[in-house]
Formats: sequence, C-alpha cells, structure tokens
Amino acid sequence: GAVVSQHPSRVICKSGTSVKIECRSLDFQATTMFWYRQFPKQSLMLMATSNEGSKATYEQGVEKDKFLINHASLTLSTLTVTSAHPEDSSFYICSASGLLGTDTQYFGPGTRLTVL
Amino acid sequence: EDQVTQSPEALRLQEGESSSLNCSYTVSGLRGLFWYRQDPGKGPEFLFTLYSAGEEKEKERLKATLTKKESFLHITAPKPEDSATYLCAVQAFTGGTSYGKLTFGQGTILTVHP
Repeated sequence: GAVVSQHPSRVICKSGTSVKIECRSLDFQATTMFWYRQFPKQSLMLMATSNEGSKATYEQGVEKDKFLINHASLTLSTLTVTSAHPEDSSFYICSASGLLGTDTQYFGPGTRLTVL
Repeated sequence: EDQVTQSPEALRLQEGESSSLNCSYTVSGLRGLFWYRQDPGKGPEFLFTLYSAGEEKEKERLKATLTKKESFLHITAPKPEDSATYLCAVQAFTGGTSYGKLTFGQGTILTVHP
C-alpha cells in the first residue's frame, strides 16, 4: 500500500511555456497532498499544501500565480508551472498523506523539469 | 521556528561496519519524527515514524530511536544496497489544522563499500 505516482517523470520545455505535473495516490485516499522542490544536493523545500476541494496554502516566497495547484479529488493533485523560465528547472516531488488516518507522507518518484 | 540538523553530512562505511546517523531537532511541540531514505533521482521512501521519547522501531538492518532532543538511525552490518541519502523530518503540533507540514534536515549521504 501507499503508492504515489507522478507523471511525467521528465519534461523538457521551452522558456515561456506552461507545464503540468500530475500526482496520484494509487491505493489510498489522500486527504492532503504536498508539493516540494529539490535542488541538487539539497534537501526538500515545501512549496505548498493542498486539501481536496480547497485552495492550496503556499509557503512564504512561493509565487501562487506561477505555481498553480489543483487538488480536484482525493487521489489527484496537479502542479502547473506557468510561463516557465530556466530558473524553474528543478526536481519536483509530491507527497500524499491520509493513509489509515495518519499524517505520514508518502512520496512520489519525482519529476525532473528542464526549461531551455 | 522548527529546525532539524543531521550529522554527519556524509558517512562512508565498509560493508558490515555498523554506525549511527544523528538527527537533532528543535520544535515547539513534536507531533512526529520521520525517517526517509532517498536514492539519487528518486522520491523519498518512508522508513519510520516515531512519536514519543523512548520509542524505538526496527526494519531489517535499521533501527530508529527517539529522545526529547534527537533521533538516531542505527545501521547494523550495512550492505552496499543501503547506500542512499537518509532524511529526517519533524512534524509539529500547531493547533488547529496543521495539514501535517514536515520540516526536513539536510540529510546524511551514506556510502557502503563492499
């Protein structure tokens, strides 16, 4: 149990385009989903927290208009990077919690975004 | 502000050489401490959750312990496949709805040589 998937695993796009990343909890209903960003050789940085049917809560310094988060169901959350620029290139990882009513976060495999 | 410090930053072991990783934390009220393993280019894999001082959990060659100020991840007779980055994170009680936010340490890069 506790499998979280992400799609795509890698994406390369041109500067100015938008990219959507999907995060799915495959075998449990996720009451809360989280989006993180990780730079090389650094730890995870929380970007935002989302609950199904509610607006996402963004961490300080994260532009909500640039990183759009939608949590449409208990098994799906999406992160859209709008008008991507090279500085948005990073490893984006989602996590989901809610299995058996616990707060344990289970992570997806990550998405490598490269903006040219 | 919650803080998590992991040491050492990197650890090289010979296969079979047991050791411990440290996670020191300061948090207003600890709701849970989490250990994850992360392989290069992958998302973190959940290992343990500890909730109160004195608690211990084991899984294969790994054993996690918790005190009021720190947690240890003991690795007994490690194998090369245990090589990974080990991440520690804390979750605090915030009152109301915290949504389970985690604060991560920088991680310990473990390399086990055959």
